Amino acid sequence: EAGVTQSPRYAVLQEGQAVSFWCDPISGHDTLYWYQQPRDQGPQLLVYFRDEAVIDNSQLPSDRFSAVRPKGTNSTLKIQSAKQGDTATYLCASSSTGGLTLYFGAGTRLSVL
Amino acid sequence: GQQVKQSSPSLTVQEGGILILNCDYENDMFDYFAWYKKYPDNSPTLLISVRSNVDKREDGRFTVFLNKSGKHFSLHITASQPEDTAVYLCAAGEGTGYQNFYFGKGTSLTVIP
Repeated sequence: EAGVTQSPRYAVLQEGQAVSFWCDPISGHDTLYWYQQPRDQGPQLLVYFRDEAVIDNSQLPSDRFSAVRPKGTNSTLKIQSAKQGDTATYLCASSSTGGLTLYFGAGTRLSVL
Repeated sequence: GQQVKQSSPSLTVQEGGILILNCDYENDMFDYFAWYKKYPDNSPTLLISVRSNVDKREDGRFTVFLNKSGKHFSLHITASQPEDTAVYLCAAGEGTGYQNFYFGKGTSLTVIP
């Protein structure tokens, strides 16, 4: 069984540039999470979906961040105008209905210069 | 504020020793508690978890203790081994319904041979 796939693995941007991260969850997992993990900190929940619906995006900076999961499978997280404070690893995780284990992808390491 | 807090950023123990990692949480609604293990440049993976209907769960050298009244849970590792060297992240959340999970900042554990 394939795990959670994320791309790209690395991204380096100048402030003000845009970037998109892509996530393919484990097949059949209906719940998908995006976490931001700054260096030396734990993952911080940004947004999560059940199927195509956003369940909680209260921690997503809505002025610059957006996330979609249009068909309830793959998901894209976009930063419109990156800031240095966005430098972090962005982790995607998925879980099955009623399953409580989060399966994480390898993450995208973002550096904003 | 931070929903889940780990008190120790780092710990060092001699091989064979016993250690305890601690985690405090804020939300009374949380009913699922977990410890994830993260090696450098790898994503977190589930180590052990417990639901709120039990006070303790043991899996080999790893035991989770839950104190709901104190909003506290801990991970005990016995007979520590060099391969236990990693970052340990505690996580808590609502296991039913929302299934949202919050992580602590992590404790970096070093086991000295």
